[in-house]
Amino acid sequence: DAGVTQSPTHLIKTRGQQVTLRCSPISGHKSVSWYQQVLGQGPQFIFQYYEKEERGRGNFPDRFSARQFPNYSSELNVNALLLGDSALYLCASSLFEGSPLHFGNGTRLTVT
Amino acid sequence: DAKTTQPNSMESNEEEPVHLPCNHSTISGTDYIHWYRQLPSQGPEYVIHGLTSNVNNRMASLAIAEDRKSSTLILHRATLRDAAVYYCILSYNNAGNMLTFGGGTRLMVKP
Repeated sequence: DAGVTQSPTHLIKTRGQQVTLRCSPISGHKSVSWYQQVLGQGPQFIFQYYEKEERGRGNFPDRFSARQFPNYSSELNVNALLLGDSALYLCASSLFEGSPLHFGNGTRLTVT
Repeated sequence: DAKTTQPNSMESNEEEPVHLPCNHSTISGTDYIHWYRQLPSQGPEYVIHGLTSNVNNRMASLAIAEDRKSSTLILHRATLRDAAVYYCILSYNNAGNMLTFGGGTRLMVKP
């Protein structure tokens, strides 16, 4: 079975621009979560969606938004990029809420 | 969220057992203990989780102290592929999607 797939794998943007990151969960998984991992630190929770509804939001500014589509895929949008948004963005899917998370290998975003 | 404390790094020899400790003295009765690991250049990988009783799966064993203030992840026979950062995480009421990762323990495995 295919794992969690994220696109693109790498991305370079300029301060002030907007970016959209995409995630396809494992087939049959209904929950998608997003995490940000800054170099040298553990991942930080951004959002969780289950059955297309937002179920949780971490301590991130409103510049960060996400949505989940009817096919359970998800997008993470970040507006007005700052240098500090440079990080690895990880998507994880799970069968149900509370099930173990399956992570993709992330999108490496560099903001210059 | 209740916090966990882990050593920054540990070393092990290949084919020997590894015991990775985690302290969580402020754990509440409904907090589950999760372990994930992250290999270089990959996303985290689920290892094991539990509430009160010890747990075993094909990857590892989780030993939980009777007072639940600490736990130990046991890799029965370390391989070079087990070199990774291991994260011990508590989640309220098994809300396993909204995890607060700390710094983890970097495990180095020597051949």
